[in-house]
Amino acid sequence: QLQLQESGPGLVKPSETLSLTCSVSGGSISSSIYYWGWIRQPPGKVLEWIGSIYNSGSTYYNPSLKSRVTISVDTSKNQFSLKLNSVTAADTAVYYCARDGYNQKRPFDYWGQGTLVTVSS
Amino acid sequence: EIVLTQSSGTLSLSPGERATLSCRASQSVSSSSLAWCQQKPGQAPRLLIYGASSRATGIPDRFSGSGSGTDFTLTISRLEPEDFAVYYCQQYGSSPLTFGGGTKVEIK
Repeated sequence: QLQLQESGPGLVKPSETLSLTCSVSGGSISSSIYYWGWIRQPPGKVLEWIGSIYNSGSTYYNPSLKSRVTISVDTSKNQFSLKLNSVTAADTAVYYCARDGYNQKRPFDYWGQGTLVTVSS
Repeated sequence: EIVLTQSSGTLSLSPGERATLSCRASQSVSSSSLAWCQQKPGQAPRLLIYGASSRATGIPDRFSGSGSGTDFTLTISRLEPEDFAVYYCQQYGSSPLTFGGGTKVEIK
């Protein structure tokens, strides 16, 4: 069974960079035909897709966040990561990683449990 | 960007009743690339329906999806206690991928 787990600091200061890692088990990123994505959900608000990456390093991002986002992959560790720079309180959210089937005409199907990141001084 | 509107913010229903949730897209969703997911407090979303009408693995047949183009529906034929949750639609036919605002199904 494919499992995803987010990790990273739960508190980030304004103007700094938010960094999270998603560890994948039960399947290999390097041999997968799927993309791997990040989605966030501010408290009490709607889900927002951030961006996704393929095992080759090919990425696609939400234009609303593209200027501040970098997603990378480390196939040797079976992980992919998110960096969001210049954060503000508006970036406070639960951040989820998930398997993204966009290139296979499939939705997000496997999700991590999510991790709350608070932006505060 | 395709905007998804879930007009019913909250549905108050009793166990055993039928729930009908709607999702309207601002433009046609290609290849019926519309999914429904369920989210309970403190949990990650769980995929229920993809391709507008196909149930994901392990999803009970009381959940069904229908629709095409811009109008989609999720139906729960007989609500079980574990079905009270928030339901989101998601389109994955074009980038950026987008989600609806959610419909909360609460116990009446």
